[in-house]
Amino acid sequence: AQKITQTQPGMFVQEKEAVTLDCTYDTSDPSYGLFWYKQPSSGEMIFLIYQGSYDQQNATEGRYSLNFQKARKSANLVISASQLGDSAMYFCAMREGNYQLIWGAGTKLIIKP
Amino acid sequence: DVKVTQSSRYLVKRTGEKVFLECVQDMDHENMFWYRQDPGLGLRLIYFSYDVKMKEKGDIPEGYSVSREKKERFSLILESASTNQTSMYLCASSLPRSSGNTIYFGEGSWLTVV
Repeated sequence: AQKITQTQPGMFVQEKEAVTLDCTYDTSDPSYGLFWYKQPSSGEMIFLIYQGSYDQQNATEGRYSLNFQKARKSANLVISASQLGDSAMYFCAMREGNYQLIWGAGTKLIIKP
Repeated sequence: DVKVTQSSRYLVKRTGEKVFLECVQDMDHENMFWYRQDPGLGLRLIYFSYDVKMKEKGDIPEGYSVSREKKERFSLILESASTNQTSMYLCASSLPRSSGNTIYFGEGSWLTVV
């Protein structure tokens, strides 16, 4: 069974609109962490935002926020006021234990001018 | 800023060649990782290391080996490259989970085996 599910293989969004990228996860561990990374066409993986399972508030980093709904096991990434430079692949990942990240398949986001 | 450097950005190798992919991090991180990324499959963990000379198999270790002789350097080795190992390889490093949560990546190495 997949532990991280990103149901949107691709999305087109108009510039300046807000975007929500979906991520659901599955774990029985009460302590876990959720990450979002951005990967432009250049290939580098850029850390965007982190949410711990015990964090009381939703994480925010500039234009990025994480809509964490623990009971639903979802951790959607919200990008406010999208920009052309936001066009990239976006990956959701979960950290269980001390070492490994478990990755979703990614969502390709294209921002239209 | 944390820096994870992968020695080669683009490589083309012949089938059967021995290939070394080098990764160096400058933040004294205990954990280092090698991932492979293929379209539609996301990132798959090949090997990781949580200390010098320590290594653990990830999800797809077959056909690969690793070496961690120094804390800052983690090498991925393809003993005899095959065409199905054509892929993008990403190195990453992190502190132990108790000390921090961010995992930092290198820029990736695009390997083509012909």
